[in-house]
Amino acid sequence: DAGVIQSPRHEVTEMGQEVTLRCKPISGHNSLFWYRQTMMRGLELLIYFNNNVPIDDSGMPEDRFSAKMPNASFSTLKIQPSEPRDSAVYFCASSLGHSNTEAFFGQGTRLTVV
Amino acid sequence: GENVEQHPSTLSVQEGDSAVIKCTYSDSASNYFPWYKQELGKRPQLIIDIRSNVGEKKDQRIAVTLNKTAKHFSLHITETQPEDSAVYFCAARSPGRRALTFGSGTRLQVQP
Repeated sequence: DAGVIQSPRHEVTEMGQEVTLRCKPISGHNSLFWYRQTMMRGLELLIYFNNNVPIDDSGMPEDRFSAKMPNASFSTLKIQPSEPRDSAVYFCASSLGHSNTEAFFGQGTRLTVV
Repeated sequence: GENVEQHPSTLSVQEGDSAVIKCTYSDSASNYFPWYKQELGKRPQLIIDIRSNVGEKKDQRIAVTLNKTAKHFSLHITETQPEDSAVYFCAARSPGRRALTFGSGTRLQVQP
């Protein structure tokens, strides 16, 4: 298995533009997580899905952020409109649907909003 | 919700010495405690984990201890090597909640 796959690896965009980050979880994993990593705030959970259903989106900063999981093999995180303070590394992770199993991270998307 | 505190934020040791990183958690029901290592520019990767029914676990030079009463757990690295230099994150997970809550990270530097 190739692991969790994220695209793009790097994204540079202008303030106000829409940004879409993509994630393919490990096949068979039914939990998917979006985390944001910054120097100031560390690894923050934005949202997670279980069986394609959003379970907890309390970490989504504001209405500019949205996430979808239309099927078991694909998820998107969208920021519209983007702002410079959204610059961060965004990680997607997946795990089997048990409470004490490993979460596997993708390589991350480094987003820079100028 | 769960809150995880991690200390120290930075740690510098000489090669061959031991390193200890400590974390506390707030939710007494939490039952899974992994440790992740993140090298510069790379993804976090699991290095060891412990479940609440176990007090200690060891894997070669790495060990983790858990004190449920005090709600804290620690990572111990013995005979440190330069390749151990990285940022280490502790995390905790509550039953019924799939997502991990991470500590703020510890930057470990092993001086050759």
